Amino acid sequence: GNSVTQMEGPVTLSEEAFLTINCTYTATGYPSLFWYVQYPGEGLQLLLKATKADDKGSNKGFEATYRKETTSFHLEKGSVQVSDSAVYFCALSGGRDDKIIFGKGTRLHILP
Amino acid sequence: NAGVTQTPKFQVLKTGQSMTLQCAQDMNHNSMYWYRQDPGMGLRLIYYSASEGTTDKGEVPNGYNVSRLNKREFSLRLESAAPSQTSVYFCASSERQGKSYNEQFFGPGTRLTVL
Repeated sequence: GNSVTQMEGPVTLSEEAFLTINCTYTATGYPSLFWYVQYPGEGLQLLLKATKADDKGSNKGFEATYRKETTSFHLEKGSVQVSDSAVYFCALSGGRDDKIIFGKGTRLHILP
Repeated sequence: NAGVTQTPKFQVLKTGQSMTLQCAQDMNHNSMYWYRQDPGMGLRLIYYSASEGTTDKGEVPNGYNVSRLNKREFSLRLESAAPSQTSVYFCASSERQGKSYNEQFFGPGTRLTVL
């Protein structure tokens, strides 16, 4: 079945550092891929998405490219801020229903 | 638009008590979902409803029941709460447009503790 694997955290970086959070997936067909972010005490919200191979999703300085050849959707940001501290979830959707499969989440701490 | 709303925000129950978590969305979405979130486990799907009048089991349905009251509302019931059901519960909704799989919109969550 479909699955998502993302790097375990926590990830701790200094402000203005470069961020990569790895995500790989297993799926049949052509799934859509998502990154969600969860700030402390809140629900998840969509950060970015890509619906077909080679698409790049971007939002708030974050980017991720849908790589079908490596089945990956790594999240990157060139210069992180303290306000980016949160839990990040990689996810895919592509079955006959609207269900989304989530990774286990990566907690990110940014130090000032 | 309020998006997805959940009540209550916090709840403490004793083992064996029952309660219903309420969820409503004002985006006219057909699909609604209930998840639980536990440390180190990510989000696990409890039940979902693809349309009004239909419900299906997710990954961890045991100990829960759901009702899709109408298109807007999707409730989750714990008939006899157990400490293993201590968790944060999230409701979500989504709508598919053609062949594109759309994002899910999440509520703020209900923090449930079962003593």
